[in-house]
Amino acid sequence: SYELTQPPSVSVSPGQTASITCSGDKLGDKYASWYQQRPGQSPVLVIYKDNKRPSGIPERFSGSNSGNTATLTISGTQAMDAADYFCQAWDINTGVFGGGTKLTVL
Amino acid sequence: EVQLVESGGGLEQPGRSLRLSCAASGFTFDDYAIHWVRQGPGKGLEWVSGIQWNSGDVGYAGSVKGRFTISRDNAKNTLYLQMNSLRAEDTAMYYCTKDINPQLLWIGEVPVAFDIWGQGTMVTVSS
Repeated sequence: SYELTQPPSVSVSPGQTASITCSGDKLGDKYASWYQQRPGQSPVLVIYKDNKRPSGIPERFSGSNSGNTATLTISGTQAMDAADYFCQAWDINTGVFGGGTKLTVL
Repeated sequence: EVQLVESGGGLEQPGRSLRLSCAASGFTFDDYAIHWVRQGPGKGLEWVSGIQWNSGDVGYAGSVKGRFTISRDNAKNTLYLQMNSLRAEDTAMYYCTKDINPQLLWIGEVPVAFDIWGQGTMVTVSS
């Protein structure tokens, strides 16, 4: 079965750029999505189709996907961006999520 | 307002069954695939199952295949998940979530993404 791998944690200072990676075999040939989940809340879609932002998602969130790696980039990170982030792809009628990355803003 | 509301969770013994429901409102339900995603306590997200807008295709995670059955009633704007032979490892919050793409065929590499999520219903499997 297809697998996606994320780093367990990433730290960033307020105002700096955070990058969260997601690795999978030929992931660049698929479409990657990203979700933000704050404690006790349902996930929120922040990036889909590799680099599209749903309405209401700030411009500081961006995405890319090439080769074996998809990347979520948060520019000018704010304290409110502290959350768990999950990547996701679709593989032969099956959804796949990465293990999640805890973003700490300090 | 676009909304998904899950129900049917609770405490059940191993080997027994539960049926989850997800009521949709605020969008054209029969235009979109709907999925179930679960999250064990303190764990990450796990896709469980999905069904196309016209029930033409369904998918299951390997961990639930043969035990869980997804279905939908477009006349009632409702999604279901029949969960049989429950195991302790099925303990999780179960979310229903909508695909962002209308009438997307699951052929080749497709941009399935989940744009609307319910608040979840908790399933606990324990004796």
